[in-house]
Amino acid sequence: RKEVEQDPGPFNVPEGATVAFNCTYSNSASQSFFWYRQDCRKEPKLLMSVYSSGNEDGRFTAQLNRASQYISLLIRDSKLSDSATYLCVVTDTGTASKLTFGTGTRLQVTL
Amino acid sequence: DAGITQSPRYKITETGRQVTLMCHQTWSHSYMFWYRQDLGHGLRLIYYSAAADITDKGEVPDGYVVSRSKTENFPLTLESATRSQTSVYFCASSESIVDRAVGYTFGSGTRLTVV
Repeated sequence: RKEVEQDPGPFNVPEGATVAFNCTYSNSASQSFFWYRQDCRKEPKLLMSVYSSGNEDGRFTAQLNRASQYISLLIRDSKLSDSATYLCVVTDTGTASKLTFGTGTRLQVTL
Repeated sequence: DAGITQSPRYKITETGRQVTLMCHQTWSHSYMFWYRQDLGHGLRLIYYSAAADITDKGEVPDGYVVSRSKTENFPLTLESATRSQTSVYFCASSESIVDRAVGYTFGSGTRLTVV
């Protein structure tokens, strides 16, 4: 079983739509969680950290469910510029916990 | 310019050749990381370093060598390149092993093709 699993998509949504991505992780001891965004042929960039109580950054809302070991990302009022791949990231199972990345969910926002 | 830079951006090399990918960061971050990204596998950790002269293996270290003589540089060497090492390589840095606020910051990547 992969440490981080994501639906690869693509999710094709019209501009203005609300879209949600889920991610499951296998390490119940993971302490840190992030969503990264990666544009085509570019480096991953931090979108937001995910905190236990859930957090919001503008149109983006992240939730963490430790009991079920999943993380979600909700994007409201989608923009064309939101088209990208969204990577779910958690700390891994090693003794020195490092970040381990999901394979990403691709989002395509259309007119 | 402040940041993390990788060179070269693109590289084509032949099977069996040695090739070195460079990574330089100006923040004096303690931790540096090398990942490779392949379709269907996402980002996989090759090696990481906690400080100068301290390196450790990641998930996929075979065929790679790293060194870190200075805090700001973390070169990755493919000793004898193979076609399976064709990939996009990303270097990253962080002040701590996991910075809960900012995660890792990545360089712009090196696209390596082994022919």
